[in-house]
Amino acid sequence: DAMVIQNPRYQVTQFGKPVTLSCSQTLNHNVMYWYQQKSSQAPKLLFHYYDKDFNNEADTPDNFQSRRPNTSFCFLDIRSPGLGDAAMYLCATSRVWGSYEQYFGPGTRLTVT
Amino acid sequence: ELKVEQNPLFLSMQEGKNYTIYCNYSTTSDRLYWYRQDPGKSLESLFVLLSNGAVKQEGRLMASLDTKARLSTLHITAAVHDLSATYFCAVNNNDMRFGAGTRLTVKP
Repeated sequence: DAMVIQNPRYQVTQFGKPVTLSCSQTLNHNVMYWYQQKSSQAPKLLFHYYDKDFNNEADTPDNFQSRRPNTSFCFLDIRSPGLGDAAMYLCATSRVWGSYEQYFGPGTRLTVT
Repeated sequence: ELKVEQNPLFLSMQEGKNYTIYCNYSTTSDRLYWYRQDPGKSLESLFVLLSNGAVKQEGRLMASLDTKARLSTLHITAAVHDLSATYFCAVNNNDMRFGAGTRLTVKP
């Protein structure tokens, strides 16, 4: 029944050790998004994929990369996590790009030690 | 650049009371969303408002949209403890922008 699935739900990584977060969807939506949400803050868009087209937000650090090997899956790679990257990472999807409703996954809570 | 402002940011209210959360945005848009977030959890969609004058109600929550005033409201009627959460409005103008969130605490 789950529509947007994120794995793992909790991830602990060491400072500087690369980490990958996973998102999959059963909605067959064209667009997938990655948001970062720090404690007591609003979600902040990092980037999105429209089909295979990657779109980076201007202020997303180079440390964050993404891959979308097929329609269903999207990955967030953090090359060298810093303490400031500890956050909840939310994946979302929408049918098409534009002002359409986004469906959010349960999130991955990332801790950096 | 689209800006979305919510107020209040913190709201403590007693059970049984009514209150309204406001969401103002800076550019033209006719798509506004309200989400609920419990601590440590993801965003739960509450309302999708797609046109001027749209009003939607679910239980003790009612949301409205005035696109001319660029204002949406989330009205809470006879609050109960289970409504304690953070509520976000978001405006999607080809780019989803969230308000800062209103942390609601309902006390007995």
